[in-house]
Amino acid sequence: EVQLVESGGGLVQPGRSLKLSCLASGFTFSNYGMNWIRQAPGKGLEWVASISSSSSYIYYADTVKGRFTISRDNAKNTLYLQMTSLRSEDTALYYCARSTTYFDYWGQGVMVTVSS
Amino acid sequence: DIQMTQSPSFLSASVGDRVTINCKASQNINRYLNWYQQKLGEAPKLLIYNANSLQTGIPSRFSGSGSGTDFTLTISSLQPEDVATYFCLQHNSWPNTFGAGTKLELK
Repeated sequence: EVQLVESGGGLVQPGRSLKLSCLASGFTFSNYGMNWIRQAPGKGLEWVASISSSSSYIYYADTVKGRFTISRDNAKNTLYLQMTSLRSEDTALYYCARSTTYFDYWGQGVMVTVSS
Repeated sequence: DIQMTQSPSFLSASVGDRVTINCKASQNINRYLNWYQQKLGEAPKLLIYNANSLQTGIPSRFSGSGSGTDFTLTISSLQPEDVATYFCLQHNSWPNTFGAGTKLELK
C-alpha cells in the first residue's frame, strides 16, 4: 500500500524558516517524481514544487521561487521542502504527492502557520 | 496558467440520487483531467484519470466524461460514504491547476 506521511509543520514567525519532510513507503520511491501541493485556509489547491525521480529536474511555482527548495533522499525514501523567508500567505496545509504524468497518491498533509 | 472553473461549489443530495459535478477549463486540455475525492482529515484519493478512466479499486458508480474544455464527474447512485469534497485537476500543461472543489453532503 502506497503511504506518504508528512511531518515538520507548525507555527513559525514571518521571515523564519521551516523544513517539511514526507516519508514514502509501499512503492519504489526512486522511480517516481514527487511534488508539494498546498491549500490555504478557505482557498483552493495550489501546486508548489516538483522534483523528478533522480532530482535532475526541479520546478517551482512563481509564488515560492527563490524562497522554497524541494529535495529528496532516495536512500531514505524521503522528500523535503525547505521553506525560508516565510510569509503569512504561506499559511496552508501542505501535501506531498507522487506523480507519474499526474498526481496519483497524496499524503494527509501537514499544517504550516506563519504568524507573529 | 489554465483556469479550472468547477461547479457547483456545494451540493446536497439524497442516498440513491444521481449526482453530477462539472469542471470547465479556460482552454483546451484534451482529456488530461482527473477527479479526486477528499474526505475530512484524509488524503485526497484519485477517482478518475484522463477524463474517463476509473482508478483501480474505485466503485463503478463513479464515472467521468468530457474532453476539450468541459468535463463531468457522475456518481450514479449516491452512497453515504460518498460525502466528501471533490476536485478536478488539469494535467495537460504546466503548472497543473485545480478546480476550487465541490462539497457534497447528504440531504
